[in-house]
Amino acid sequence: DAKTTQPPSMDCAEGRAANLPCNHSTISGNEYVYWYRQIHSQGPQYIIHGLKNNETNEMASLIITEDRKSSTLILPHATLRDTAVYYCIVRVANAGNMLTFGGGTRLMVKP
Amino acid sequence: DTGVSQDPRHKITKRGQNVTFRCDPISEHNRLYWYRQTLGQGPEFLTYFQNEAQLEKSRLLSDRFSAERPKGSFSTLEIQRTEQGDSAMYLCASSLSGTPYEQYFGPGTRLTVT
Repeated sequence: DAKTTQPPSMDCAEGRAANLPCNHSTISGNEYVYWYRQIHSQGPQYIIHGLKNNETNEMASLIITEDRKSSTLILPHATLRDTAVYYCIVRVANAGNMLTFGGGTRLMVKP
Repeated sequence: DTGVSQDPRHKITKRGQNVTFRCDPISEHNRLYWYRQTLGQGPEFLTYFQNEAQLEKSRLLSDRFSAERPKGSFSTLEIQRTEQGDSAMYLCASSLSGTPYEQYFGPGTRLTVT
């Protein structure tokens, strides 16, 4: 699996967009990018995933660069409840089972 | 609430005792996963089941750890002869086999070994 690199922490003002970057320069053609988050004292929560096209759902948008070496998770209007650790994970779809969580980015949304 | 439940939510035990945790997945999910998370770290995969078959167990931390899913529904994780290093959050997740990386996690069981 490709290695991912994320900044350890970020701050965002409430109501503003939170843009969380992830570098995955060794990603291969059949690997998807998955994003999860973990709010304090809860289990991780699936957010979104994508292969090469940008994706959007009710929680977030995922922008993947054309060369697929990096991606950005966008929370369009961050709220205090979005304060969490965000994990970027790269996996070949349906190739296995386990999720490999790195250190993630601790996002602090401030009033 | 993701629909995955775990019991108990907290467990305090003395070193050397055995403990068992239960996970009830989302009912239509045929895959069930166990992870462990220590303070400040991301979750670490332990094992997983497809229906009642345990398909991966090489990452269980030692032979003191075992898991079962006898009827393909709920699962149990047992730790025998607990050690202080076993203190952690134990997380369960479930998914459909067609979307194995869209996993729904339970709230976890926090184990403290004294």
